[in-house]
Amino acid sequence: DQQVKQNSPSLSVQEGRISILNCDYTNSMFDYFLWYKKYPAEGPTFLISISSIKDKNEDGRFTVFLNKSAKHLSLHIVPSQPGDSAVYFCAASGWNAGNMLTFGGGTRLMVKP
Amino acid sequence: KAGVTQTPRYLIKTRGQQVTLSCSPISGHRSVSWYQQTPGQGLQFLFEYFSETQRNKGNFPGRFSGRQFSNSRSEMNVSTLELGDSALYLCASSPDRELNYNEQFFGPGTRLTVL
Repeated sequence: DQQVKQNSPSLSVQEGRISILNCDYTNSMFDYFLWYKKYPAEGPTFLISISSIKDKNEDGRFTVFLNKSAKHLSLHIVPSQPGDSAVYFCAASGWNAGNMLTFGGGTRLMVKP
Repeated sequence: KAGVTQTPRYLIKTRGQQVTLSCSPISGHRSVSWYQQTPGQGLQFLFEYFSETQRNKGNFPGRFSGRQFSNSRSEMNVSTLELGDSALYLCASSPDRELNYNEQFFGPGTRLTVL
């Protein structure tokens, strides 16, 4: 039973355009969400997070949107750069789960020059 | 500030052996979590330690165990290795400023291959 799902295994975008990565969750107890970027042979790198009391959080080129009623979140990268090419994971945590994260399966983003 | 470090980076073992992996968190971080990444199951939570106590545990058999020392460094142990234990084992530390709302910072991982 996958509680966090990233339905698009891959996404290809032209440099300078917007990249939108999507994530759905099923567990209503999740109230904190994070996005990580991962290069091969490295650990995930934290990008941005959002708690359930917000519906949007921005950090530079990265914006995360949360739609609690739809149990859906998305990561927008504007403008996309070739260096953004990596696997992106969304993760979720519940109010009583300490720092335990439940991860989605990842989306491979390719930004073409 | 130095990041999360994990040793060794690569390890090859045979079935039935045991293995110990080590993690040093970012200075000042008291929470350390372990994750297993495999192609089939993705990233899965193993356990979390905070102030030398296991705070959370994932759905893994008892062959997987861990501990945390007073300096927050952590080790995980896998006994009686199976082929399916081949994976990238990731350690993450967290500043734990507020319970439940902390970003976690990952180390580079230990690639374990079981033959």
